[in-house]
Amino acid sequence: SAVISQKPSRDICQRGTSLTIQCQVDSQVTMMFWYRQQPGQSLTLIATANQGSEATYESGFVIDKFPISRPNLTFSTLTVSNMSPEDSSIYLCSVVVGGHEQYFGPGTRLTVT
Amino acid sequence: GEDVEQSLFLSVREGDSSVINCTYTDSSSTYLYWYKQEPGAGLQLLTYIFSNMDMKQDQRLTVLLNKKDKHLSLRIADTQTGDSAIYFCAEGGSGNTPLVFGKGTRLSVIA
Repeated sequence: SAVISQKPSRDICQRGTSLTIQCQVDSQVTMMFWYRQQPGQSLTLIATANQGSEATYESGFVIDKFPISRPNLTFSTLTVSNMSPEDSSIYLCSVVVGGHEQYFGPGTRLTVT
Repeated sequence: GEDVEQSLFLSVREGDSSVINCTYTDSSSTYLYWYKQEPGAGLQLLTYIFSNMDMKQDQRLTVLLNKKDKHLSLRIADTQTGDSAIYFCAEGGSGNTPLVFGKGTRLSVIA
């Protein structure tokens, strides 16, 4: 398994500001994924983050809005830029261990006012 | 495209068995997963099944896979109030690929 921590666990932000979410894993992993879970909804993949290369974004998500860093094999950040109330969601990072077991962090609950 | 469907709600009495169903469309899925999300918490990996298996049992949990019909189910025996949560079905390929999730089934356990 993997132990994943995220910071902050929750935040309330004002419209137009940016928030950077950190994801730390207790072991080295090749890929990290960032998902969004809007209120009462399922999970939607934002992007896949490889160490040492640019993140790959899913349709509907762009780098200018959700820049991602992956400086090493245990850490990644997701920034939510120029926030609007529609960005209010839970943001989760996940990793794959053992080739097929995918574990999730506890999530960051973001409210934009 | 890929799609995973689940019923949205299930209500059972404490001590009964719960069966949560899921259908998926991607026949190339290598693994199928069940996650549990309690209120205010992240996703907990409950169990998963490899696509060449038709059943997997883990304590109170039984996963059944009908690959021909692309149907997956999760049975929870002797359901307890602590099992009340949202259960997500997800499909994925092998290796480092992201998962496709269903909308989740909210299980309510009545004491």
